[in-house]
Amino acid sequence: EVQLVESGGGLVKPGGSLRLSCAASGFTFSSYSMNWVRQAPGKGLEWVSSISSSSSYIYYADSVKGRFTISRDNAKNSLYLQMNSLRAEDTAVYYCARGPSGVILFDYWGQGTLVTVSS
Amino acid sequence: VIWMTQSPSLLSASTGDRVTISCRMSQGISSYLAWYQQKPGKAPELLIYAASTLQSGVPSRFSGSGSGTDFTLTISCLQSEDFATYYCQQYYSFPWTFGQGTKVEIK
Repeated sequence: EVQLVESGGGLVKPGGSLRLSCAASGFTFSSYSMNWVRQAPGKGLEWVSSISSSSSYIYYADSVKGRFTISRDNAKNSLYLQMNSLRAEDTAVYYCARGPSGVILFDYWGQGTLVTVSS
Repeated sequence: VIWMTQSPSLLSASTGDRVTISCRMSQGISSYLAWYQQKPGKAPELLIYAASTLQSGVPSRFSGSGSGTDFTLTISCLQSEDFATYYCQQYYSFPWTFGQGTKVEIK
């Protein structure tokens, strides 16, 4: 069974940093691209960042480029999102999502972790 | 950027109804479209990809159609568990974008 479990969310002040993690199990992690998608409270879904299976290709939404860094550790079956210079508009539930190789869609999702940016 | 217009934003329906949700693109995306279902407090789930291919385990009352710029999600016979919010997503070009969502509520 595919499982994705996010952690690392919490309350942080504007300008602060946070590192999200996603622990994957139930599939060959190193064969899939991985993604972060977020959802602000009461709002729709927003793609944030994607990383290919071998980390060769990395993409960011303009809204987070230069502030967020996606990475993965295939030996640990883990995905990460380092978030710096956080803003109030980054407040959202952050989902880790698996993607089939070669396309950016999301076939399995974690339960999400809430990030709140507030003073 | 490909702009997506999803309609309606709110749909009131009864159990047993046939419902359709539309997703229109600002430019052609071939069949690179997915549909997701999200229930309150839960993560989204993939229903359909490649515009019309049902994800494994998804009931056959769900169907998708369209190509190019106009796409439709149809639920042939609405069940109680189908009351949720539905999103389309294009994966044709960067940045990958979602529609605004359609909430299907009980009439």
